[in-house]
Amino acid sequence: GQQLNQSPQSMFIQEGEDVSMNCTSSSIFNTWLWYKQDPGEGPVLLIALYKAGELTSNGRLTAQFGITRKDSFLNISASIPSDVGIYFCAGHRSSNTGKLIFGQGTTLQVKP
Amino acid sequence: GAVVSQHPSWVICKSGTSVKIECRSLDFQATTMFWYRQFPKQSLMLMATSNEGSKATYEQGVEKDKFLINHASLTLSTLTVTSAHPEDSSFYICSAKGEGTGELFFGEGSRLTVL
Repeated sequence: GQQLNQSPQSMFIQEGEDVSMNCTSSSIFNTWLWYKQDPGEGPVLLIALYKAGELTSNGRLTAQFGITRKDSFLNISASIPSDVGIYFCAGHRSSNTGKLIFGQGTTLQVKP
Repeated sequence: GAVVSQHPSWVICKSGTSVKIECRSLDFQATTMFWYRQFPKQSLMLMATSNEGSKATYEQGVEKDKFLINHASLTLSTLTVTSAHPEDSSFYICSAKGEGTGELFFGEGSRLTVL
Protein backbone atom coordinates (compact mmCIF):
# COMPACT_ATOMS: atom_id res chain seq x y z
CA GLY A 1 0.00 0.00 0.00
CA GLN A 2 0.96 3.60 -0.39
CA GLN A 3 3.19 5.09 2.28
CA LEU A 4 4.52 8.48 3.02
CA ASN A 5 8.28 8.98 2.79
CA GLN A 6 9.48 9.80 6.27
CA SER A 7 13.02 10.73 7.24
CA PRO A 8 15.27 10.22 8.96
CA GLN A 9 14.66 6.58 9.75
CA SER A 10 16.34 6.92 13.12
CA MET A 11 18.06 9.50 15.27
CA PHE A 12 20.32 9.25 18.28
CA ILE A 13 20.73 12.58 20.01
CA GLN A 14 21.91 14.12 23.24
CA GLU A 15 19.39 15.34 25.79
CA GLY A 16 18.67 19.01 25.24
CA GLU A 17 19.20 18.95 21.50
CA ASP A 18 16.52 19.89 19.01
CA VAL A 19 15.12 17.30 16.62
CA SER A 20 13.58 17.63 13.19
CA MET A 21 11.89 15.01 11.04
CA ASN A 22 9.80 15.28 7.91
CA CYS A 23 7.44 13.52 5.58
CA THR A 24 6.91 13.92 1.88
CA SER A 25 4.47 12.54 -0.63
CA SER A 26 4.00 12.66 -4.35
CA SER A 27 0.27 13.18 -3.74
CA ILE A 28 -1.65 15.96 -2.07
CA PHE A 29 -2.98 15.33 1.44
CA ASN A 30 -5.87 17.10 3.11
CA THR A 31 -4.68 16.46 6.64
CA TRP A 32 -1.32 15.75 8.20
CA LEU A 33 -0.99 14.12 11.58
CA TRP A 34 1.98 13.30 13.78
CA TYR A 35 1.87 10.39 16.20
CA LYS A 36 4.21 8.92 18.78
CA GLN A 37 4.24 5.20 19.47
CA ASP A 38 5.84 3.62 22.53
CA PRO A 39 6.84 -0.06 22.40
CA GLY A 40 3.87 -2.40 22.59
CA GLU A 41 1.30 0.35 22.45
CA GLY A 42 -0.87 2.07 19.91
CA PRO A 43 0.06 5.45 18.45
CA VAL A 44 -0.89 8.60 20.31
CA LEU A 45 -1.73 11.77 18.45
CA LEU A 46 0.71 14.65 18.97
CA ILE A 47 -0.34 17.28 16.47
CA ALA A 48 -2.97 17.53 13.75
CA LEU A 49 -2.70 19.91 10.79
CA TYR A 50 -5.66 20.77 8.62
CA LYS A 51 -4.64 23.65 6.35
CA ALA A 52 -1.76 24.20 3.98
CA GLY A 53 0.84 26.42 5.60
CA GLU A 54 -0.53 25.80 9.09
CA LEU A 55 2.07 25.89 11.85
CA THR A 56 0.96 24.36 15.14
CA SER A 57 2.71 23.87 18.46
CA ASN A 58 2.08 21.49 21.32
CA GLY A 59 4.49 22.22 24.13
CA ARG A 60 7.99 21.54 22.83
CA LEU A 61 6.62 20.13 19.59
CA THR A 62 6.01 22.18 16.47
CA ALA A 63 4.67 20.88 13.18
CA GLN A 64 3.86 22.48 9.86
CA PHE A 65 1.62 21.53 6.94
CA GLY A 66 3.56 22.30 3.78
CA ILE A 67 2.27 24.88 1.35
CA THR A 68 2.24 22.36 -1.47
CA ARG A 69 0.20 19.97 0.75
CA LYS A 70 2.73 17.29 -0.07
CA ASP A 71 4.94 17.54 2.98
CA SER A 72 5.08 18.19 6.68
CA PHE A 73 7.73 18.46 9.35
CA LEU A 74 7.86 17.93 13.09
CA ASN A 75 10.34 19.67 15.37
CA ILE A 76 11.02 18.75 18.98
CA SER A 77 12.93 21.33 20.96
CA ALA A 78 15.11 20.69 23.98
CA SER A 79 14.67 16.91 23.88
CA ILE A 80 14.32 14.93 27.08
CA PRO A 81 14.69 11.17 27.72
CA SER A 82 10.93 10.57 27.65
CA ASP A 83 10.84 11.75 24.04
CA VAL A 84 12.25 8.34 23.13
CA GLY A 85 9.94 6.41 20.83
CA ILE A 86 8.85 6.05 17.25
CA TYR A 87 7.30 9.04 15.56
CA PHE A 88 4.97 8.56 12.62
CA CYS A 89 3.56 11.03 10.21
CA ALA A 90 0.20 10.18 8.74
CA GLY A 91 -2.16 11.80 6.33
CA HIS A 92 -5.64 11.77 4.93
CA ARG A 93 -5.97 12.03 1.21
CA SER A 94 -9.69 12.34 1.62
CA SER A 95 -11.13 13.92 4.74
CA ASN A 96 -14.38 11.98 4.37
CA THR A 97 -13.15 8.44 4.68
CA GLY A 98 -10.97 8.72 7.75
CA LYS A 99 -8.45 6.36 6.17
CA LEU A 100 -4.93 7.18 7.22
CA ILE A 101 -1.72 6.54 5.33
CA PHE A 102 1.35 6.27 7.55
CA GLY A 103 4.99 7.12 7.07
CA GLN A 104 7.66 4.56 7.83
CA GLY A 105 8.43 6.09 11.20
CA THR A 106 11.41 7.80 12.81
CA THR A 107 12.95 6.07 15.81
CA LEU A 108 14.27 8.61 18.30
CA GLN A 109 16.75 7.78 21.01
CA VAL A 110 17.85 10.38 23.53
CA LYS A 111 21.03 10.04 25.51
CA PRO A 112 20.77 11.57 28.98
CA GLY B 1 -10.81 12.26 26.33
CA ALA B 2 -12.06 9.58 24.01
CA VAL B 3 -10.71 6.12 24.69
CA VAL B 4 -10.45 3.08 22.49
CA SER B 5 -9.71 -0.23 24.12
CA GLN B 6 -8.55 -3.48 22.58
CA HIS B 7 -8.73 -6.96 24.00
CA PRO B 8 -6.72 -9.06 24.36
CA SER B 9 -3.43 -7.18 24.56
CA TRP B 10 -1.48 -10.36 23.96
CA VAL B 11 -2.54 -13.65 22.47
CA ILE B 12 -0.60 -16.76 21.58
CA CYS B 13 -2.28 -19.44 19.55
CA LYS B 14 -1.49 -22.59 17.66
CA SER B 15 -1.30 -22.62 13.90
CA GLY B 16 -4.66 -23.39 12.35
CA THR B 17 -6.78 -21.93 15.12
CA SER B 18 -8.85 -18.76 14.97
CA VAL B 19 -8.36 -15.72 17.15
CA LYS B 20 -10.79 -12.89 17.85
CA ILE B 21 -9.64 -9.37 18.76
CA GLU B 22 -12.08 -6.81 20.09
CA CYS B 23 -11.99 -3.06 19.65
CA ARG B 24 -14.28 -0.93 21.81
CA SER B 25 -14.94 2.77 21.92
CA LEU B 26 -15.46 3.36 25.63
CA ASP B 27 -17.08 6.77 25.84
CA PHE B 28 -18.28 7.55 22.37
CA GLN B 29 -20.07 5.93 19.48
CA ALA B 30 -18.05 5.03 16.44
CA THR B 31 -19.82 4.29 13.20
CA THR B 32 -16.47 3.70 11.57
CA MET B 33 -13.49 1.81 12.90
CA PHE B 34 -10.26 0.91 11.18
CA TRP B 35 -8.01 -2.11 11.56
CA TYR B 36 -4.25 -1.83 11.03
CA ARG B 37 -1.47 -4.38 11.08
CA GLN B 38 2.06 -3.53 12.12
CA PHE B 39 4.96 -5.92 11.65
CA PRO B 40 8.09 -5.43 13.78
CA LYS B 41 10.00 -2.26 13.00
CA GLN B 42 7.52 -1.36 10.30
CA SER B 43 4.75 1.14 9.89
CA LEU B 44 1.03 0.68 10.32
CA MET B 45 -0.73 -0.69 7.27
CA LEU B 46 -4.47 -0.29 6.94
CA MET B 47 -6.21 -3.62 6.56
CA ALA B 48 -9.87 -2.69 6.46
CA THR B 49 -12.53 -0.16 7.29
CA SER B 50 -15.25 -1.44 9.57
CA ASN B 51 -18.68 0.16 9.19
CA GLU B 52 -21.40 -0.39 11.76
CA GLY B 53 -24.23 -2.42 10.33
CA SER B 54 -22.61 -3.12 7.00
CA LYS B 55 -19.80 -5.11 5.45
CA ALA B 56 -16.24 -4.09 6.00
CA THR B 57 -14.18 -2.59 3.20
CA TYR B 58 -10.87 -4.34 2.75
CA GLU B 59 -7.66 -2.88 1.38
CA GLN B 60 -6.05 -4.43 -1.63
CA GLY B 61 -4.21 -7.61 -0.80
CA VAL B 62 -6.07 -8.29 2.45
CA GLU B 63 -8.07 -11.53 2.40
CA LYS B 64 -11.57 -10.85 3.63
CA ASP B 65 -12.24 -14.53 4.29
CA LYS B 66 -9.18 -14.77 6.48
CA PHE B 67 -9.65 -11.56 8.42
CA LEU B 68 -13.30 -11.45 9.38
CA ILE B 69 -14.57 -8.12 10.63
CA ASN B 70 -17.83 -7.63 12.47
CA HIS B 71 -19.06 -4.21 13.56
CA ALA B 72 -22.32 -5.18 15.19
CA SER B 73 -22.73 -2.17 17.45
CA LEU B 74 -21.67 1.45 17.60
CA THR B 75 -19.05 0.69 20.22
CA LEU B 76 -17.61 -2.65 19.18
CA SER B 77 -15.75 -4.02 16.19
CA THR B 78 -14.12 -7.43 16.13
CA LEU B 79 -11.37 -8.82 13.96
CA THR B 80 -11.15 -12.60 13.69
CA VAL B 81 -8.00 -14.08 12.23
CA THR B 82 -9.15 -17.44 10.88
CA SER B 83 -6.87 -20.44 10.49
CA ALA B 84 -3.96 -18.41 11.76
CA HIS B 85 -0.45 -19.14 10.54
CA PRO B 86 2.92 -17.95 11.86
CA GLU B 87 3.09 -15.27 9.16
CA ASP B 88 -0.04 -13.72 10.68
CA SER B 89 1.92 -12.94 13.81
CA SER B 90 1.81 -9.17 14.12
CA PHE B 91 0.62 -6.21 16.15
CA TYR B 92 -2.99 -5.44 15.28
CA ILE B 93 -4.23 -1.95 16.05
CA CYS B 94 -7.71 -0.52 15.71
CA SER B 95 -8.80 3.07 15.54
CA ALA B 96 -12.21 4.64 15.86
CA LYS B 97 -13.50 7.80 14.31
CA GLY B 98 -14.87 10.07 16.99
CA GLU B 99 -18.14 11.92 16.84
CA GLY B 100 -18.17 15.55 15.85
CA THR B 101 -14.56 16.34 14.96
CA GLY B 102 -13.96 12.99 13.34
CA GLU B 103 -10.63 12.67 15.13
CA LEU B 104 -9.19 9.19 15.10
CA PHE B 105 -8.42 7.48 18.39
CA PHE B 106 -6.20 4.43 18.49
CA GLY B 107 -6.43 1.38 20.68
CA GLU B 108 -3.49 0.02 22.61
CA GLY B 109 -2.92 -2.74 20.09
CA SER B 110 -3.10 -6.52 20.28
CA ARG B 111 -0.01 -8.62 19.75
CA LEU B 112 -0.72 -11.94 18.07
CA THR B 113 1.84 -14.71 18.07
CA VAL B 114 1.03 -17.83 16.09
CA LEU B 115 3.13 -20.86 16.95
